[in-house]
Amino acid sequence: QKEVEQDPGPLSVPEGAIVSLNCTYSNSAFQYFMWYRQYSRKGPELLMYTYSSGNKEDGRFTAQVDKSSKYISLFIRDSQPSDSATYLCAMIGQGGSEKLVFGKGTKLTVNP
Amino acid sequence: DTEVTQTPKHLVMGMTNKKSLKCEQHMGHRAMYWYKQKAKKPPELMFVYSYEKLSINESVPSRFSPECPNSSLLNLHLHALQPEDSALYLCASSQGVVSNQPQHFGDGTRLSIL
Repeated sequence: QKEVEQDPGPLSVPEGAIVSLNCTYSNSAFQYFMWYRQYSRKGPELLMYTYSSGNKEDGRFTAQVDKSSKYISLFIRDSQPSDSATYLCAMIGQGGSEKLVFGKGTKLTVNP
Repeated sequence: DTEVTQTPKHLVMGMTNKKSLKCEQHMGHRAMYWYKQKAKKPPELMFVYSYEKLSINESVPSRFSPECPNSSLLNLHLHALQPEDSALYLCASSQGVVSNQPQHFGDGTRLSIL
């Protein structure tokens, strides 16, 4: 079983839709959870950063962490064509020399 | 535009060439990272520098040689690369290597080996 599982998609939605992106993980030591957005030919851009269980909202984006189920989600409300990108979940444990573990990424297309 | 700047954006080199990739950040971060990313794959960690000292080397072949001249600069020296080394090379930085400090990425150097 991989440490982090993420459905690679591709996911195609109409403009204005609510998008749900998800990752599951197996390592209970993970404490910090991130979502990165990567446009074609660009580096990953940090979108959301959360610690432990709960919700965090930033504009149209909401990150949700459920540590009891080892499940994290990113919701995008009122999706726009400019949201078309690959979304990578990433997570890391508490220790000082931990490595960031990425999901495979989900390719999202928002159609006008 | 990102706050981590990488040059060059594109590089084409032969297998016998020597070249260097450069990365610069002015956020006062004390940890810097090199990642390799192949198409449709997530980034893979290569090296971590913390306070200008190499702290993690992910068993990367010796044809890749990192260097951290100061706290805001990170180089990756390349020599005798193979075609399978063609990839996007990403630099990242964070305030420290402690886990609760997120990493910020540059836009990468797209490297092609002929």
